[in-house]
Formats: sequence, C-alpha cells, structure tokens
Amino acid sequence: GQSLEQPSEVTAVEGAIVQINCTYQTSGFYGLSWYQQHDGGAPTFLSYNALDGLEETGRFSSFLSRSDSYGYLLLQELQMKDSASYFCAVTSASKIIFGSGTRLSIRP
Amino acid sequence: KAGVTQTPRYLIKTRGQQVTLSCSPISGHRSVSWYQQTPGQGLQFLFEYFSETQRNKGNFPGRFSGRQFSNSRSEMNVSTLELGDSALYLCASSLASSGSYEQYFGPGTRLTVT
Repeated sequence: GQSLEQPSEVTAVEGAIVQINCTYQTSGFYGLSWYQQHDGGAPTFLSYNALDGLEETGRFSSFLSRSDSYGYLLLQELQMKDSASYFCAVTSASKIIFGSGTRLSIRP
Repeated sequence: KAGVTQTPRYLIKTRGQQVTLSCSPISGHRSVSWYQQTPGQGLQFLFEYFSETQRNKGNFPGRFSGRQFSNSRSEMNVSTLELGDSALYLCASSLASSGSYEQYFGPGTRLTVT
C-alpha cells in the first residue's frame, strides 16, 4: 500500500528557518510534491521533486532522496503569513496521495 | 483564467438525506479529483474523473459516487448521510490525467450533517 508520514505540528520563530520532513512508502513512485493550506483556504501547489536533490523557489526549497523514500520542505526567513498547514503528496502513475499535513505555527 | 469553483460553499443536511456537490474545473482541465478533509485526517482521496470516466477510486463506501459531464464539470453525490460525513469536500482539477502532481483546488464545500 501507500503511506506518508509527516509531523503533525511544528513551531518556529519569525525570521528563522524550519524544515518539514516527509517519509513515504509507495509503489510506482513518480515524485513528491508539497502543498500549502491556510486556515479556511484551499490547498495551493508549492513544489514538485521527481529527481534527487534540492529545488529552490524563493524562500521555499524542497528536497528529495528516492533511495531513502524521504523528502523535506525548507522554509527560510519565516514570515507570519507562512503560518499554515503543509501537505506532502506522493505521485504515482495512477494517483496522488496526500499526507495528513503539518501545521506550522510561527511566533513573533 | 477563472479558478476552480464549487457550489454550494456551505450545506447543512440531516442524517439519512442525500446531497449533491458540484465542481467546475479550470477551463481546459479535463481531470477532476474529489477529496474529503477532516481535522487531523489530511486529504482523503475519493475519486478522479478524466474525460467523463472514473479513473481512480479511494477507500470510501458506495454511498459516495460521482460523475463528470462532457464539459468536464463534475458532481459528487453522497446518499444516506451519516454524522461522520461532516467534512470539507474539495475538488481539484488538473491538465493531465491520473497522477498529475500539480492540482488546482477549489474553495471546498463545507458539509455539516446533523
């Protein structure tokens, strides 16, 4: 079957760096993506990794290690508006499966 | 380009009733997926439609069904509602078929079953 694990909650300080980890088990793995969801809002796509390594998009970076079935989302220079839930999702040939989400709280 | 729209946004139903939710994808998108979101459970996949055909189905009882029309609009139906069906129902559209990693979500329909 398929499963994803990510921490349920993470707390960080404004201006700092935070890393949200995701480990997965799946067959027919294509890639790992990340979504952000603010309270009361819809999930929005952040990034996608199909190959090993780091992908950077502004303050956000995403990393994948296919051999370790592991990835993470790195958020730098944290801002209060980054307070949200973050979901990792595994894509295979036939479907995309989402994790349970990590709620990121940021303190001033 | 208009985003994904869902109607209604909020709905209150009674146990035993049935409900139909509607989703209009982004123009040009032929894939529509439905998810159930409850606190702490993340996004649970319900089903995906592409070109009016159901491509994938999640682990939900047969009370949950859906369909897609020729204009790619999709509807989801839940019959014999239970209290546990209270959730946010999200639909997402994408250009490609099954397994597309970039999905565009609608605002959701908040269903409350009393």
